[in-house]
Amino acid sequence: QVQLQESGPGLVKPSGTLSLTCAVSGGSISSSNWWSWVRQPPGKGLEWIGEIYHSGSTNYNPSLKSRVTISVDKSKNQFSLKLSSVTAADTAVYYCASNYCSGGSCYSSYFDYWGQGTLVTVSS
Amino acid sequence: SSELTQDPAVSVALGQTVRITCQGDSLRSYYASWYQQKPGQAPVLVIYGKNNRPSGIPDRFSGSSSGNTASLTITGAQAEDEADYYCNSRDSSGNRFGGGTKLTVL
Repeated sequence: QVQLQESGPGLVKPSGTLSLTCAVSGGSISSSNWWSWVRQPPGKGLEWIGEIYHSGSTNYNPSLKSRVTISVDKSKNQFSLKLSSVTAADTAVYYCASNYCSGGSCYSSYFDYWGQGTLVTVSS
Repeated sequence: SSELTQDPAVSVALGQTVRITCQGDSLRSYYASWYQQKPGQAPVLVIYGKNNRPSGIPDRFSGSSSGNTASLTITGAQAEDEADYYCNSRDSSGNRFGGGTKLTVL
C-alpha cells in the first residue's frame, strides 16, 4: 500500500516561494505512475498544479506554469513542489497524489493514492 | 472547451438514485475518474476507466460515458454518500478537475 506524506512550512510570506515535499513509502517513485500536486483553497474545489514522471518529464497547469517547478529525488523516493511569487490566492490545502496512467496517451488515468494534505497560508 | 463542467449541487432522497454529470471536450478522448470528498478529508477515488470501482467502494457507485459527458450514478443513495464529488480527466496540458458537485442526501 503506497503512502504519501506532505511536509513543508505552513506559513509563507507574500511574494515568497512555497516549498513542499512529498515522501513516498510502500512503493517506488520509479514506478510507472505520474506524481502530482493538487491544491484546494478553503471552501473551493480541487485544482491540479502539475506532475512529474521519474524520468524528470513534467506537465504543469497552464495557469500556474510560470511560477511552478516540480522535481523528483529518486534517491530519497520523494518529489517536491516550488511555487514562486505567492499571494493570498495561493492559500490552500496542498495534496500530493499518484496518478496511474493506462496506455501511451493515458486514455485512462486516475489518482489512486493521496497524501493527507497540508494547509499552506500566505500571509505576512 | 478544455474545462470540465459539473452542476454545483444535487440532492437525492435517501435510497433513491442520483446521477452526477461532467461535461467537457477532453472526455471525448479520455476516460473520466470520479472522487468523493468529505469535509476535512482527502479525496477518495470511487470510479475510474470505463466503469471500474476500487476495492472497498460499494457497488451502488457506477460510471458511464457518452460523447463529451461522463456520469457518476449512485443507486440507492445512503446518508454516508453525502459529500462533494469531483470528476477528472487528462487533457492536452496534463490533468483537469471539474468544479465539483455537492451531493445532499435528504
